[in-house]
Amino acid sequence: TQLLEQSPQFLSIQEGENLTVYCNSSSVFSSLQWYRQEPGEGPVLLVTVVTGGEVKKLKRLTFQFGDARKDSSLHITAAQPGDTGLYLCAGANNQGGKLIFGQGTELSVKP
Amino acid sequence: GAVVSQHPSWVICKSGTSVKIECRSLDFQATTMFWYRQFPKQSLMLMATSNEGSKATYEQGVEKDKFLINHASLTLSTLTVTSAHPEDSSFYICSATAGMGAFFGQGTRLTVV
Repeated sequence: TQLLEQSPQFLSIQEGENLTVYCNSSSVFSSLQWYRQEPGEGPVLLVTVVTGGEVKKLKRLTFQFGDARKDSSLHITAAQPGDTGLYLCAGANNQGGKLIFGQGTELSVKP
Repeated sequence: GAVVSQHPSWVICKSGTSVKIECRSLDFQATTMFWYRQFPKQSLMLMATSNEGSKATYEQGVEKDKFLINHASLTLSTLTVTSAHPEDSSFYICSATAGMGAFFGQGTRLTVV
């Protein structure tokens, strides 16, 4: 059974601080996706990384896929209160679109 | 990006009744859709894979007779919670894959009283 271990599960920081969220697995994924979810809404896709070692940037968010395609990280620079939400990583393994989700990281950014 | 619409956003029903939730892909066709259940501040738990024109595939521990899934067209999947009980109260979310990502509906908050 493929598992994705996401950490930390909870993170409370002050506005302006930097943070990193990690997703690790012993399995190889064909791609890894990051989502952000706000209360009462469905997750919204932030990025998909496909190639080992790939780095993608989305404004203050930097996503990295490990060389072996087993792990990924999300780094947020100068966090803002608007970044508050649940961040989810999900791995795909070419099985008809089925995703393996990490446990999620509940981020709270205080002004 | 692709749009997935889920309806209703919330529903309150009496114990013992059935509730139907719809999931539509608005601008693309989806031969496969996924249904998840989510508890507060937790990740998504896959319930079943909905396959157009064939039976759904249920995850271990999910009662297929309680959570009926129908995928009658390439743009619509429905989840019916039959004989709902308070323990079925939860946030239910559907998704479909388009390109390199999954796109989720807005979710349905089900409260069984």
